[in-house]
Amino acid sequence: GAVVSQHPSWVICKSGTSVKIECRSLDFQATTMFWYRQFPKQSLMLMATSNEGSKATYEQGVEKDKFLINHASLTLSTLTVTSAHPEDSSFYICSARGGGSSYNEQFFGPGTRLTVL
Amino acid sequence: AQKITQTQPGMFVQEKEAVTLDCTYDTSDQSYGLFWYKQPSSGEMIFLIYQGSYDEQNATEGRYSLNFQKARKSANLVISASQLGDSAMYFCAMERRESNYQLIWGAGTKLIIKP
Repeated sequence: GAVVSQHPSWVICKSGTSVKIECRSLDFQATTMFWYRQFPKQSLMLMATSNEGSKATYEQGVEKDKFLINHASLTLSTLTVTSAHPEDSSFYICSARGGGSSYNEQFFGPGTRLTVL
Repeated sequence: AQKITQTQPGMFVQEKEAVTLDCTYDTSDQSYGLFWYKQPSSGEMIFLIYQGSYDEQNATEGRYSLNFQKARKSANLVISASQLGDSAMYFCAMERRESNYQLIWGAGTKLIIKP
C-alpha cells in the first residue's frame, strides 16, 4: 500500500515553544489530509481536515490559532502547535487520502509523540 | 448523529481461539464505509478490513472477517485462530463519504491473547 511518513517521530519541547510536525505522502498525491490527536488509552479525535491549496476545516473545539495546519502541496501537510503547553502533550497522527473514490486511498502516518515540559 | 459504539473495553482470549469484537454504528448517510484498524503499542494504525454499505457479501481478509448486519447496524470483526501477535487495540471506524470521507471512530477494544 501507499506510504505516509511523519516527522519527527517524537519530540520533547519546553512550554511556550512552537513545534512543527510534517506529514508526507511518499508515493501518491494526497488531495485530503486529516490530523488526529490521541490521548493514552483513548480513541482518535479528528482535529482538522485539510485539502491541498485551501484552508483547513477544524473540528468544533479545536483552536485554529493554536494548531496551525498548512497543506501547501499534494504531498505535504504540516501541523504547528504554537506556544505549546503541557496539556498539548499527546500522540498526533495524520492520514492522507488520494483523489479517487476507493476506500483504499486513506493511509496513516506512524504518528508523532509530543511531550511538552 | 453519526456514532460508532464499541461496547467491549477489553477482552482476554486464549491463543488459537476465535474472537469477535463488537461494533455498532448510527448514521443517516445512505452511502458509507466501515473499517477495522489495529493499533499495537507502537502506535501505528494498521488497516485490517473494509465493508461498504452496499456490499452484500461480508468482507474477508485472511484471518479477519467482518460480520455485517446492515439492518442491525452492526459490523463485528471476527478473528479466527488468534495469535499472540494479535494483542493490540482494535478500532472500528465509519467513513462518511458525504463529509470529505472523514472517519468516525469507536472507543476501541483492547484485546489480549493469552498463551
